[in-house]
Amino acid sequence: ETGVTQTPRHLVMGMTNKKSLKCEQHLGHNAMYWYKQSAKKPLELMFVYNFKEQTENNSVPSRFSPECPNSSHLFLHLHTLQPEDSALYLCASSPRQQVYYGYTFGSGTRLTVV
Amino acid sequence: AQSVTQPDIHITVSEGASLELRCNYSYGATPYLFWYVQSPGQGLQLLLKYFSGDTLVQGIKGFEAEFKRSQSSFNLRKPSVHWSDAAEYFCAVGGPNTGNQFYFGTGTSLTVIP
Repeated sequence: ETGVTQTPRHLVMGMTNKKSLKCEQHLGHNAMYWYKQSAKKPLELMFVYNFKEQTENNSVPSRFSPECPNSSHLFLHLHTLQPEDSALYLCASSPRQQVYYGYTFGSGTRLTVV
Repeated sequence: AQSVTQPDIHITVSEGASLELRCNYSYGATPYLFWYVQSPGQGLQLLLKYFSGDTLVQGIKGFEAEFKRSQSSFNLRKPSVHWSDAAEYFCAVGGPNTGNQFYFGTGTSLTVIP
């Protein structure tokens, strides 16, 4: 049990579908993150939320839409994705938005866009 | 600009042999340095971190890493590798100079043979 739970573990979707990824943590952390992990590339930070407020959007296409209703839950809404969006999407959390604490990662959602 | 280089894409070692994974970084000040491990189908788990002080840091699972400022390196070591150590290993740098974001390397994949 990593403390950060992501669902679903696997997702296959067509380019015209709409789906959502869910991330949940009960560690009492106040910062949450979405990362994209593609083969043989560094992890790409997508979004950061600190105390439910979005603080970072690293030039992510608008077909990815994050939502953070409270400090324990984070969603990534997906629509009209492209095949190159296929990747492992990782959620992470930390006590504050500071690398000093290190991050706790979930196991990820393996997304395949067909 | 901040960056992390892991020169070895893939390493194979025999069980019981020693291990060293290389990490070089570029950072404008004293960096915060981290090593994470990712087992198949899992998220990233923090192995160890360095902020300041003793340049040899101990982590979980018998791993250690040494910070060498003159070489801009933070290599991960383990005296005797176990089959369960087979995984992907990521070095990361972060801190105030990176907007409190991590910069990850591309990872080193470790295979352990009996």
